[in-house]
Amino acid sequence: EPEVTQTPSHQVTQMGQEVILRCVPISNHLYFYWYRQILGQKVEFLVSFYNNEISEKSEIFDDQFSVERPDGSNFTLKIRSTKLEDSAMYFCASSDYLAGEQYFGPGTRLTVT
Amino acid sequence: QKEVEQNSGPLSVPEGAIASLNCTYSDRGSQSFFWYRQYSGKSPELIMFIYSNGDKEDGRFTAQLNKASQYVSLLIRDSQPSDSATYLCAVKTNTGNQFYFGTGTSLTVIP
Repeated sequence: EPEVTQTPSHQVTQMGQEVILRCVPISNHLYFYWYRQILGQKVEFLVSFYNNEISEKSEIFDDQFSVERPDGSNFTLKIRSTKLEDSAMYFCASSDYLAGEQYFGPGTRLTVT
Repeated sequence: QKEVEQNSGPLSVPEGAIASLNCTYSDRGSQSFFWYRQYSGKSPELIMFIYSNGDKEDGRFTAQLNKASQYVSLLIRDSQPSDSATYLCAVKTNTGNQFYFGTGTSLTVIP
């Protein structure tokens, strides 16, 4: 069964460093998303991506964040200068149509020290 | 402000019983409703989705939607210990394509 994959599973970085989180969405899906979940809190939307551009972003997705689809399979989230409060689980999701169900990857646990 | 509210629980039911999980949402323009299961430390796993008023059944799971009351529920019949998890309600409005998640209801099925 097709699934969303994410790497790495755990990333530890120092405050101020740049990190890139990688995702491979389900192959025939067209819509891609990043969410985050701070420990013990709800899943929060960051950004959606369609047709090689951002289609929607939340207030959380400020100038330190960027997304890219560098090739036909990968979808990346870059955090330019990490802060302590960026520590969270980051989930990538994909769907095959706009209103469709979103399938989540296993997540990357980001720890900023 | 688009809010999705769930009772955080914990909800405990004996094995074999029916577990009932509830969710309310604030945006009357919401069009799609999803239930996810999340085990501790894992990612949300899609269980069901529902778009129309009424009931939708899939195996032991039934989703119920009442748009007039802005209410969606999930029933789990013949609950099993493996159903013990946090259940997340997610709502998509008719503007934009992001999902709004509730904080989740923790369910424990007691053997």
